[in-house]
Amino acid sequence: GAVVSQHPSRVICKSGTSVKIECRSLDFQATTMFWYRQFPKQSLMLMATSNEGSKATYEQGVEKDKFLINHASLTLSTLTVTSAHPEDSSFYICSATRLGGLNQPQHFGDGTRLSIL
Amino acid sequence: ELKVEQNPLFLSMQEGKNYTIYCNYSTTSDRLYWYRQDPGKSLESLFVLLSNGAVKQEGRLMASLDTKARLSTLHITAAVHDLSATYFCAVDIGGTSYGKLTFGQGTILTVHP
Repeated sequence: GAVVSQHPSRVICKSGTSVKIECRSLDFQATTMFWYRQFPKQSLMLMATSNEGSKATYEQGVEKDKFLINHASLTLSTLTVTSAHPEDSSFYICSATRLGGLNQPQHFGDGTRLSIL
Repeated sequence: ELKVEQNPLFLSMQEGKNYTIYCNYSTTSDRLYWYRQDPGKSLESLFVLLSNGAVKQEGRLMASLDTKARLSTLHITAAVHDLSATYFCAVDIGGTSYGKLTFGQGTILTVHP
């Protein structure tokens, strides 16, 4: 079964709306979670690293004031797309690292398809 | 900056044939992953390769890692239609960046009857 839950799976909203996406590790603790973005027919690009109890680390070119990340507990990270615009429409996927899971793959959520009208 | 390049980007195969997807990366790493993505879906983990010379097989797929050449391969044996999907390799340079993956461009595999 899924070990990382992402919610919602799909969002359609008007331009200017803020959208919150949740990423939960279901049966393990994750001090670090990662947020990726995937545009149609492209690869996944890392947006930011979410660190429990501290500020997120953003990749070059990703606006931290637009993509707010909060990692309030060892099982939950949230990504808020503030004042979303059509160019923010994309597939957002989170992943989590299981503590002590050095030999395991990253566990990915099911993704959130965001469509801004 | 780590670069991960896959080859080919598009692969059209006939059922029953064999083929190999290549993944080259530019920085030292001994941690490489292969994922499958179906249209509209997230990533499904296929293989975790953690050392030079690692070889893993699952069904018709076999993956290998040569850390000295900075090359991983995903070999498909006797392809079937169900293998049609996009395949990504991803590299983790580890250390303080453990878990942070850099993905290849993806290989879109289509298997024809």
